[in-house]
Amino acid sequence: AQSVTQLDSQVPVFEEAPVELRCNYSSSVSVYLFWYVQYPNQGLQLLLKYLSGSTLVKGINGFEAEFNKSQTSFHLRKPSVHISDTAEYFCAVRRTSYDKVIFGPGTSLSVIP
Amino acid sequence: EAQVTQNPRYLITVTGKKLTVTCSQNMNHEYMSWYRQDPGLGLRQIYYSMNVEVTDKGDVPEGYKVSRKEKRNFPLILESPSPNQTSLYFCASSPSEGARGYTFGSGTRLTVV
Repeated sequence: AQSVTQLDSQVPVFEEAPVELRCNYSSSVSVYLFWYVQYPNQGLQLLLKYLSGSTLVKGINGFEAEFNKSQTSFHLRKPSVHISDTAEYFCAVRRTSYDKVIFGPGTSLSVIP
Repeated sequence: EAQVTQNPRYLITVTGKKLTVTCSQNMNHEYMSWYRQDPGLGLRQIYYSMNVEVTDKGDVPEGYKVSRKEKRNFPLILESPSPNQTSLYFCASSPSEGARGYTFGSGTRLTVV
């Protein structure tokens, strides 16, 4: 069975500082990996995804993530955060096309002015 | 604009009064799914559908029904709502090619009193 762990439930960070949100997954087969963002009172929006190939994936709003197969991790990073990045971030995995997406518990990012 | 539309956005109802939350997508996606989001529990899948007339249970299907009579619509039915179904509900869709990830609706906040 697959599972997703997000080690930090809350991450406060000052504006313009870098941030890393951690995600680890377990799966016995290859998976697709995703990061979603949920702004207050909104649905989830796809930030970026890893399918195959280059382990560094760039997404929207200046975010990027690095896939590490040996550590089964897919950490999300941004070199300089803005107030508008305050949101809930979810890491997710999907095994095959018709398989369900399994979400991690989420990390609440709070950007402090 | 490509989107998943859920209605209503907010709903307060009484225990036992049947209700339907509608979900419609305009992207010709094969796969559709319902999730509920609860504090501390993350997103849990209720039901999903791989195509018209093909539905199956997710992780927390008790107390819910779905139907998929048309490709674009995937309503969630609560025949006899109870207070433990108070939650934030999301509909999501994706093409059969799973690497594309989900497109989410804006959510329905349901309160059962």
